[in-house]
Amino acid sequence: GQNIDQPTEMTATEGAIVQINCTYQTSGFNGLFWYQQHAGEAPTFLSYNVLDGLEEKGRFSSFLSRSKGYSYLLLKELQMKDSASYLCAVKDSNYQLIWGAGTKLIIKP
Amino acid sequence: GAVVSQHPSWVICKSGTSVKIECRSLDFQATTMFWYRQFPKQSLMLMATSNEGSKATYEQGVEKDKFLINHASLTLSTLTVTSAHPEDSSFYICSAKWRSDTEAFFGQGTRLTVV
Repeated sequence: GQNIDQPTEMTATEGAIVQINCTYQTSGFNGLFWYQQHAGEAPTFLSYNVLDGLEEKGRFSSFLSRSKGYSYLLLKELQMKDSASYLCAVKDSNYQLIWGAGTKLIIKP
Repeated sequence: GAVVSQHPSWVICKSGTSVKIECRSLDFQATTMFWYRQFPKQSLMLMATSNEGSKATYEQGVEKDKFLINHASLTLSTLTVTSAHPEDSSFYICSAKWRSDTEAFFGQGTRLTVV
C-alpha cells in the first residue's frame, strides 16, 4: 500500500529552526509537495521537489532524497504565525496526490 | 500563484436538503479539479477527481449519487451534497491544476454544517 509518515506534532521556539520530516512509500514518484494549513483554512502551497537536493525559498527550505523515500521541510527564524499544520504529499505514478496526516507545529514565545 | 475561488465559505443546512459548492479557477484553465473532505484534526481525503467534459472518478467508499460532481467548463466545477445528513458535516476543499505535472491550487474551503 501507499504510505506517508510524518510526526503528529512538534513544538519549537520563536526565532529558532525546526525540521519536519516526511518518509514515503508510494507506487511511483512524480514529485513531493509541502503545504501549510492554518486551522479552518485550506492548504497553501509551500514547495515542490522532484529532484534530489535542497530547494530554498526564503525562510522555508525543502529537501528530497528519492533513494531514501525521505523529505524534510526546514523552517528558519520561526514566527508565531508559522503555527500551523504542515502537510507532506507525494504524487504517485498516476499523478495522484497521496497525503500525509500532517504535522501540527506549535510555536512558543 | 494561480487563484481558485470556492463558494460559499460556510453553509448551514437542514438535514435532507441539498447543498451546492462551486469551485472556480480564476486565471487559468483547470483541466483537472479535485474535491477533498477533511474532518477535524485529520488529513485531506480525496473524494473525487473530475476532468473537464467527462464524468468524475470517485474514490472507494464515496457515494457518487450522494456527492454529485459537475465539471462543465475549464473554469468551473461544482459539488452537490444531496440529501445531506449531520454526518456529512465537514470541511470540503477543491483544488485545481492545469497540467498533470503542475502543483494543485486550493480553494478557500467550505465548512458545511448539517443540522
